[in-house]
Amino acid sequence: DVKVTQSSRYLVKRTGEKVFLECVQDMDHENMFWYRQDPGLGLRLIYFSYDVKMKEKGDIPEGYSVSREKKERFSLILESASTNQTSMYLCASRGGGTGAGEQFFGPGTRLTVL
Amino acid sequence: GENVEQHPSTLSVQEGDSAVIKCTYSDSASNYFPWYKQELGKRPQLIIDIRSNVGEKKDQRIAVTLNKTAKHFSLHITETQPEDSAVYFCAASHKPYSSASKIIFGSGTRLSIRP
Repeated sequence: DVKVTQSSRYLVKRTGEKVFLECVQDMDHENMFWYRQDPGLGLRLIYFSYDVKMKEKGDIPEGYSVSREKKERFSLILESASTNQTSMYLCASRGGGTGAGEQFFGPGTRLTVL
Repeated sequence: GENVEQHPSTLSVQEGDSAVIKCTYSDSASNYFPWYKQELGKRPQLIIDIRSNVGEKKDQRIAVTLNKTAKHFSLHITETQPEDSAVYFCAASHKPYSSASKIIFGSGTRLSIRP
C-alpha cells in the first residue's frame, strides 16, 4: 500500500510565523504535490516537484515556497503566515513516466492562522 | 494550460436512481482521466480511471465514458446508495509526455443521495 503521510493533522499558528508542512511518501514516486482545499474552491495546486530539487509553480504559489531535498520528502513553507492561509493542505504523490497512473493523497493538515 | 470544467457543482438524487457527472478538458494531448471520491473529512481517493485509448470502463455500479473528439468524459453511478454521498472530482493529465506531468482537477460535484 502506498502511504503518503503528513506531519500534522491540525496546526494552529500566529500571523507572521514561519510554518513548515512536511509530507513523506514511501513508494519512490517522482512527483509530489501540494494543494490547498477551501469550501467551494476544489483542489488548488500550490506547487509540485517532479524530481529532487526540481519544482514548478502551480495555480496559487504566492506566499508559499517548497523544498525537496530527498525523493521521499516534500515540504511546504509559509514564510510569514497570514490569516488568509487558513485552510486544509493536502499533499499527494504520483509515479512518473507517460504510463503514470493514480495520484495518492495524504490525510491533510488543517492549518489555522490566528 | 490545461483546464478541466465539471458540472454540476451539486447533485441530489433519490436512492436507487442513477447519477451522472460531466467534465470537459482543453488539452487534446491529455491521455489519463481519473475520478476521485472525497468523503466528508477524508482524503480524495481514486474510484475509477480511464486512458485515452479506451472509450468506456466499468467497475460494478460505476462507469466512465470518454469522447476524445469532443474532449468530454463522464462518470455514471447506477443504483445509488447512501454511501455514494460525497464530493467527486474529475481530472485530466497535463503535459503527459513531460517530466513535469501533473493532474488537473475539476472543481468538484457534491453528490447527495436522498433516502
